[in-house]
Amino acid sequence: QKEVEQNSGPLSVPEGAIASLNCTYSDRVSQSFFWYRQYSGKSPELIMSIYSNGDKEDGRFTAQLNKASQYVSLLIRDSQPSDSATYLCAVGPRNTDKLIFGTGTRLQVFP
Amino acid sequence: KAGVTQTPRYLIKTRGQQVTLSCSPISGHRSVSWYQQTPGQGLQFLFEYFSETQRNKGNFPGRFSGRQFSNSRSEMNVSTLELGDSALYLCASSAGQGGGPQHFGDGTRLSIL
Repeated sequence: QKEVEQNSGPLSVPEGAIASLNCTYSDRVSQSFFWYRQYSGKSPELIMSIYSNGDKEDGRFTAQLNKASQYVSLLIRDSQPSDSATYLCAVGPRNTDKLIFGTGTRLQVFP
Repeated sequence: KAGVTQTPRYLIKTRGQQVTLSCSPISGHRSVSWYQQTPGQGLQFLFEYFSETQRNKGNFPGRFSGRQFSNSRSEMNVSTLELGDSALYLCASSAGQGGGPQHFGDGTRLSIL
């Protein structure tokens, strides 16, 4: 079992729709959770961080965390073609900056 | 505020050589982590430094080493290069409290011939 699992996709959604990206993790002591966006040929860019159960919203992005189910998700509202990228879920324990990454979900937003 | 700076951006080496990569963190950040990204394995953690001390190490052979200087800048060294070391090497910095958000540099693309 991989430590952090994501569906590789591609996830295709029409422009203006909601894109839903999911991630599960195996280490119950994980305390920090991040979503990164990576365009082809570029480095990962941090878009959301979440530490407590529930929802956290930032503009068109909402991160959701459920520690009991070991599940974290990212919702992108009003998806734009510029959102087309690979989205990486990263999980880390407390008091360390070691992150375990999923393999990423490729999102395609078509006009 | 300047971001994380990695040099060089591209490197071409041959098997058996060694290489040193450099990373300057965001001003004020004290923690630097290194990752290797390959198409087959994705992003894998190499090591993490805080206040010149290695705080964590990933599952990589001893050919991979690193260090951090008093100004928080970090270097990563790979000795006796192998073809499989071809990858994008990414450095990330954070404030250093552990578990905080990390910001990545543009990476160094290493190709082994």
